[in-house]
Amino acid sequence: QKEVEQDPGPLSVPEGAIVSLNCTYSNSAFQYFMWYRQYSRKGPELLMYTYSSGNKEDGRFTAQVDKSSKYISLFIRDSQPSDSATYLCAMSVAGGYGQNFVFGPGTRLSVLP
Amino acid sequence: NAGVTQTPKFQVLKTGQSMTLQCAQDMNHNSMYWYRQDPGMGLRLIYYSASEGTTDKGEVPNGYNVSRLNKREFSLRLESAAPSQTSVYFCASSYSGTNRPRNQPQHFGDGTRLSIL
Repeated sequence: QKEVEQDPGPLSVPEGAIVSLNCTYSNSAFQYFMWYRQYSRKGPELLMYTYSSGNKEDGRFTAQVDKSSKYISLFIRDSQPSDSATYLCAMSVAGGYGQNFVFGPGTRLSVLP
Repeated sequence: NAGVTQTPKFQVLKTGQSMTLQCAQDMNHNSMYWYRQDPGMGLRLIYYSASEGTTDKGEVPNGYNVSRLNKREFSLRLESAAPSQTSVYFCASSYSGTNRPRNQPQHFGDGTRLSIL
C-alpha cells in the first residue's frame, strides 16, 4: 500500500459544479497537509496549507482534514475551466525542513465550459 | 517576482552523457530540494539542502549529485545518464527559520524535462 493514495482521474465536470478531490493516507503521524495545483508543463503551485485537523477556506477552495479516517479533501465551488489542472496532495510529519513531505500522484481535473 | 527558476527547460541526452541542472531562488529561502516526477508516482525527493553548506540524500539519490553553491543556487548533476533517469525534474525551496514552524510549504520551479536515449 502506498503511503498516500489519490485517484488519478481524469475527473470531468461541467462549469459551475462543486468538485471534490480526495487523498487517503496510512501514516497516522502526518500533521501537515497541503494541496497543490499543477497546470500542464508547469510546476506545482501551493493552494492550501493546513496543520492537523479541521477545515480551511480560501475563496472558492475549502480544505478538510479528517485525521481519524486518514482522509483529506479539497472542495472547489463554482468550478471554472481555468481550474482544469492536476491536483496534488502532500503531507508530512512534524519536524524536519520539508524533506519528509510525501506527495500523492495527483488527480487530473477537467472543467468543461 | 521570479520565485524559483530552473534551467534548461528541456534537454535530450544520450546514455552515458553528463549534465547539470541549475536552480536559483530569489525568496531568501534556507532550504532547497530536487524532485523527479514520473507518471503515476508522485514527486520523489532526490536530494535536499536544509541550509547553505549542507546537503542530504532523499528517497531516490542513486545516480545523482548536488551542490549548494550559495543560499540562492542548488544544482543537480547526472554524471552518467541512464534511460531510467528520463523524467521531469523540479527544484523547490522553502523557508526554515526559528520564527516559523518547520514544514513550511515548498515553492516549485517549472521543471526541466529530461529525455535520455
